[in-house]
Amino acid sequence: DSGVTQTPKHLITATGQRVTLRCSPRSGDLSVYWYQQSLDQGLQFLIQYYNGEERAKGNILERFSAQQFPDLHSELNLSSLELGDSALYFCASSVAPSGGLGRETQYFGPGTRLLVL
Amino acid sequence: DQQVKQNSPSLSVQEGRISILNCDYTNSMFDYFLWYKKYPAEGPTFLISISSIKDKNEDGRFTVFLNKSAKHLSLHIVPSQPGDSAVYFCAARGDIIQGAQKLVFGQGTRLTINP
Repeated sequence: DSGVTQTPKHLITATGQRVTLRCSPRSGDLSVYWYQQSLDQGLQFLIQYYNGEERAKGNILERFSAQQFPDLHSELNLSSLELGDSALYFCASSVAPSGGLGRETQYFGPGTRLLVL
Repeated sequence: DQQVKQNSPSLSVQEGRISILNCDYTNSMFDYFLWYKKYPAEGPTFLISISSIKDKNEDGRFTVFLNKSAKHLSLHIVPSQPGDSAVYFCAARGDIIQGAQKLVFGQGTRLTINP
């Protein structure tokens, strides 16, 4: 158990809909990251937040958005869903984005499996 | 543009032998590398990491070697155990400007340990 929690575990929805994925980081971790893993693909970095502020963006679609709240949990919002958005979405957390060995290591949650029909 | 590559999608090793998983990268700015292990229906689990200032890091049965000139790293597992059967991802850290950190992952190698 990494200490990172994600809800829901599974989500089935229809095209055109909007969903929200939730992540709670490990206790004490300030940085949250979102990744997408499509079928037969590696993990693709989407976005990073540090202490409530966006720090880095990867291949995140404009239909997707995220935020990190004062209690440090994060939500990933996916809207106007398409069939191709079906994937595993992982959240990870770390103590800090930089600052010495070990502090950057990202710990992953169990993921949310999204199926768009 | 695949900056981190794991060219072997799968690897099969006898129990008790050494497993060697390989990873190549193209971006010379990467300065921190990690290996993750992933079981089905679970998130990736951190295994071991290495900074670019080192060429070797060891943790129990796991050793990571880094060859910066060749832009290559490898994970050695000795001895291999059935519980090591999983998908292994290599990851590299880039984009650390202004405290941002993005891990770039390889495609993964599925390791199977045969009894």
